[in-house]
Amino acid sequence: DQQVKQNSPSLSVQEGRISILNCDYTNSMFDYFLWYKKYPAEGPTFLISISSIKDKNEDGRFTVFLNKSAKHLSLHIVPSQPGDSAVYFCAAGGSARQLTFGSGTQLTVLP
Amino acid sequence: DTGVSQNPRHKITKRGQNVTFRCDPISEHNRLYWYRQTLGQGPEFLTYFQNEAQLEKSRLLSDRFSAERPKGSFSTLEIQRTEQGDSAMYLCASSPGRTSVQKLFFGSGTQLSVL
Repeated sequence: DQQVKQNSPSLSVQEGRISILNCDYTNSMFDYFLWYKKYPAEGPTFLISISSIKDKNEDGRFTVFLNKSAKHLSLHIVPSQPGDSAVYFCAAGGSARQLTFGSGTQLTVLP
Repeated sequence: DTGVSQNPRHKITKRGQNVTFRCDPISEHNRLYWYRQTLGQGPEFLTYFQNEAQLEKSRLLSDRFSAERPKGSFSTLEIQRTEQGDSAMYLCASSPGRTSVQKLFFGSGTQLSVL
């Protein structure tokens, strides 16, 4: 039973354009959401997070949007850069003291 | 470098052998986690420690797996009688443990290949 789902395994975007990565969750007890980025042969690195009391959080080129009623969050990267090419994981946490991850989306930014 | 350190980076073993991985967390972090990642999947939770106490174990952690954190600092993950299905990236992460949900800091992982 996948509680966190990333339905797009891959996404290609032109450099300078917006990248939008999506994530859906099923567990209404999740109250904190994170995005991680992963390069090959490295561990995931934290990118940005959002609490369930907010619907938007912004950090430079990265913005995360949360729609609690739809149990959906998205990560916007604008403008996209070739160095953003990586696998992006959505993760969720709540009362459990561990994070549940989605299966990831491979983002490729084309120069 | 004060990040999470994992050793070895790569391990190749024959089916049936035992393997042990080590994780050194960020020094002031009292929570330590083990995750496993296979190709095309996200990290899957295995177990976590609060200081030296192992507080939660996933159903993924069969009897062949054992994890320890004897002094609340570094941790080891041992897999006995390895099987080909154990081939995966084993990720260690740590966190400060001050709140109920954690931003995890991951190491670079140990890539296990069971032949």
